[in-house]
Amino acid sequence: ETGVTQSPTHLIKTRGQQVTLRCSSQSGHNTVSWYQQALGQGPQFIFQYYREEENGRGNFPPRFSGLQFPNYSSELNVNALELDDSALYLCASSFGQDSYEQYFGPGTRLTVT
Amino acid sequence: GQQLNQSPQSMFIQEGEDVSMNCTSSSIFNTWLWYKQDPGEGPVLLIALYKAGELTSNGRLTAQFGITRKDSFLNISASIPSDVGIYFCAGQLDSNYQLIWGAGTKLIIKP
Repeated sequence: ETGVTQSPTHLIKTRGQQVTLRCSSQSGHNTVSWYQQALGQGPQFIFQYYREEENGRGNFPPRFSGLQFPNYSSELNVNALELDDSALYLCASSFGQDSYEQYFGPGTRLTVT
Repeated sequence: GQQLNQSPQSMFIQEGEDVSMNCTSSSIFNTWLWYKQDPGEGPVLLIALYKAGELTSNGRLTAQFGITRKDSFLNISASIPSDVGIYFCAGQLDSNYQLIWGAGTKLIIKP
């Protein structure tokens, strides 16, 4: 069984730029959730994708967008980066939109300067 | 927005001691989850709870879903050095797939 993987591991971007983060879900999982985790805080829910459709969204602006592909891998895109976007971005996969047993990848550390 | 109050924020303990931490909210939750996060890693699921009053164990870890559905507890017995890390509770509200997370309890073992 392959776990959740994320790429890249680390990324440094400049304010105003755009970034794409990638996630491969655990085999057999069809739901992907994205979280933002600031230093010293718990994860904050960004959105969830189930079978290629957005299935729920947290309190994040539209410049945070995502995609899920037929193989259930996913992308998180952030436009017009702001300094406050610096955080660890976590992807979690699960089976079914009703499952709360989410399995996390190692995260992508984004630094915006 | 909805909040989970997780306490304590941090704990210094001796190896071999038992540990208790909890999460409380003013809202009713349908599901409680406990995760552990090591530095540079994503959270790892420890225990999932689905019914009020449910008591579930995973090795030396035991978690309970509070009767009021507004709280949950995690106990670790006979702590060992690899228990060091940050423990998060997460809850799922009725009819909302979103997980609400606590701010974490940092467990530190005294040398």
